[in-house]
Amino acid sequence: AQRVTQPEKLLSVFKGAPVELKCNYSYSGSPELFWYVQYSRQRLQLLLRHISRESIKGFTADLNKGETSFHLKKPFAQEEDSAMYYCALKETSGSRLTFGEGTQLTVNP
Amino acid sequence: GAGVSQSPSNKVTEKGKDVELRCDPISGHTALYWYRQSLGQGLEFLIYFQGNSAPDKSGLPSDRFSAERTGGSVSTLTIQRTQQEDSAVYLCASRVKGGNTEAFFGQGTRLTVV
Repeated sequence: AQRVTQPEKLLSVFKGAPVELKCNYSYSGSPELFWYVQYSRQRLQLLLRHISRESIKGFTADLNKGETSFHLKKPFAQEEDSAMYYCALKETSGSRLTFGEGTQLTVNP
Repeated sequence: GAGVSQSPSNKVTEKGKDVELRCDPISGHTALYWYRQSLGQGLEFLIYFQGNSAPDKSGLPSDRFSAERTGGSVSTLTIQRTQQEDSAVYLCASRVKGGNTEAFFGQGTRLTVV
């Protein structure tokens, strides 16, 4: 069964500091991985997907199949990055989308 | 509107009563998901529908929970004989079929069982 683990429920950094939100997964196939974000009083929305190899709002995430990880990184955190972040995995053979427990990021001034 | 719509936004119910939560997905989206978001518990998968295929109900926590999707569009999540532990935000999402397409979420229904 597929599983997504985010070991940190809470993460607090200062503005301008680097930030890394950890995500590990277990899945027997080739995964499709995503990061979703939920800002205060807003609905959950897609931040980025591994297949696109894109940088969104300064965030990047690299799929490491050897370590089964998909950590989210940003070199210089901003206060507006404060939000709840969810890592998600979609099975390639179907449509089931599994989320991790989420990490609440707080960027302090 | 063009987004996923859920109703009601908030629901307070007495323990033991039945509730129905509604989700209107984005038109043309064949996949529809229900999740439960509890404080400190993350996003718990409940059920998903994909076109005319049999739904994946493996996430439903008990037989008090059921869901249906009529005409491949609107979905209703029903919780019978509600318990206090059912209190949570229930989220619906939809997406088009296919690989890395984005899932679009509704604003959620906050259910409080008193």
